[in-house]
Amino acid sequence: AQSVTQPDIHITVSEGASLELRCNYSYGATPYLFWYVQSPGQGLQLLLKYFSGDTLVQGIKGFEAEFKRSQSSFNLRKPSVHWSDAAEYFCAVGAGGNTGKLIFGQGTTLQVKP
Amino acid sequence: NAGVMQNPRHLVRRRGQEARLRCSPMKGHSHVYWYRQLPEEGLKFMVYLQKENIIDESGMPKERFSAEFPKEGPSILRIQQVVRGDSAAYFCASSPRSGGSYEQYFGPGTRLTVT
Repeated sequence: AQSVTQPDIHITVSEGASLELRCNYSYGATPYLFWYVQSPGQGLQLLLKYFSGDTLVQGIKGFEAEFKRSQSSFNLRKPSVHWSDAAEYFCAVGAGGNTGKLIFGQGTTLQVKP
Repeated sequence: NAGVMQNPRHLVRRRGQEARLRCSPMKGHSHVYWYRQLPEEGLKFMVYLQKENIIDESGMPKERFSAEFPKEGPSILRIQQVVRGDSAAYFCASSPRSGGSYEQYFGPGTRLTVT
């Protein structure tokens, strides 16, 4: 069965520092992969997605992610974190078939120190 | 173009009451997904609907929960005889097409509290 693991529950970084959030997935075929961000009390906003092609994908707000099939990973990165990036980040994989339902990881809460 | 709308944003129910959560998809979207987010957890898929059809309800609890997406009007997630364990945030997402390659647009969620 498909699954997504985000190993880090909480991460704290200083403003201006680089960021990497880890995501590992389990899926039999080429996956559809997504990163979403959720601010407190808000819904989810799509940061970026990978379907095929270039394994380094660019998203909004300066985020990027790299798909590594050999490691079953889709880690999210940002070169310089801003205080407004503090939020919860979810990695998700498309479950396949025709339904399009998403399977989410447990989420990583990012705290940004001034 | 308005985004996905959900109401109410917050809902308080006593144990045993019914909860009705509404979702209006984005204009032009005929595919609706419901997800539940329990405290300190990620989102879990509940049900996928198209207009007048339930396509996949593999994530729905077998009892007390039902969903519909009528030809006219919003999608409704209905929870009968709520229990404390139903307290969660319920998110609706819509998509213009089915299939894994289409982005789902999420609403702000309904936060249900059962007292």
